[in-house]
Amino acid sequence: DAKTTQPPSMDCAEGRAANLPCNHSTISGNEYVYWYRQIHSQGPQYIIHGLKNNETNEMASLIITEDRKSSTLILPHATLRDTAVYYCIVRPPSSGGGADGLTFGKGTHLIIQP
Amino acid sequence: NAGVTQTPKFRILKIGQSMTLQCTQDMNHNYMYWYRQDPGMGLKLIYYSVGAGITDKGEVPNGYNVSRSTTEDFPLRLELAAPSQTSVYFCASSFRVGQPQHFGDGTRLSIL
Repeated sequence: DAKTTQPPSMDCAEGRAANLPCNHSTISGNEYVYWYRQIHSQGPQYIIHGLKNNETNEMASLIITEDRKSSTLILPHATLRDTAVYYCIVRPPSSGGGADGLTFGKGTHLIIQP
Repeated sequence: NAGVTQTPKFRILKIGQSMTLQCTQDMNHNYMYWYRQDPGMGLKLIYYSVGAGITDKGEVPNGYNVSRSTTEDFPLRLELAAPSQTSVYFCASSFRVGQPQHFGDGTRLSIL
């Protein structure tokens, strides 16, 4: 799996858009970008994923640069409940041989300020 | 739907004791996984299963065993608990390879 780089922490004011960057300069052509988050004391929660087009769902938007070497997760109107560690993961749709484990780094600790 | 349910939520074991962490999912997912998360770190894959009767090792399998007799259940067994196994254990499932994984809320295990 391609390695990702994320800032260790970020602050954002409640009600504003939170923009979380992720660098994945060694991404391969068939690798997707996945975002998960982990709220304190809970299991990770899937947010969104994409290949090269921008994606949007009810939780967030994912913007992937044209060269696919970086991406940004956007939470359009952050609330206090969005305070969590956000993980950017890059991986192919199938790891082959049945292994489909996710590789979680240390992520970005997003703190929403009231 | 309950999703992925893990029991117990907390447990304290003595060194050398054994226990089974339970995981069940009601989404009819084929793939199931066990991860551990040490303080301040990301998750590491212990074991996974691609369907009933099929299991395989992940990144950190030593000291653990699993079984998958049904689609719904994927228990994780610790035979001889060691302090190094103090961690938070997460079970997850997905419908098929590449699909988003759904996680339980974890079991917090301390070995003293």
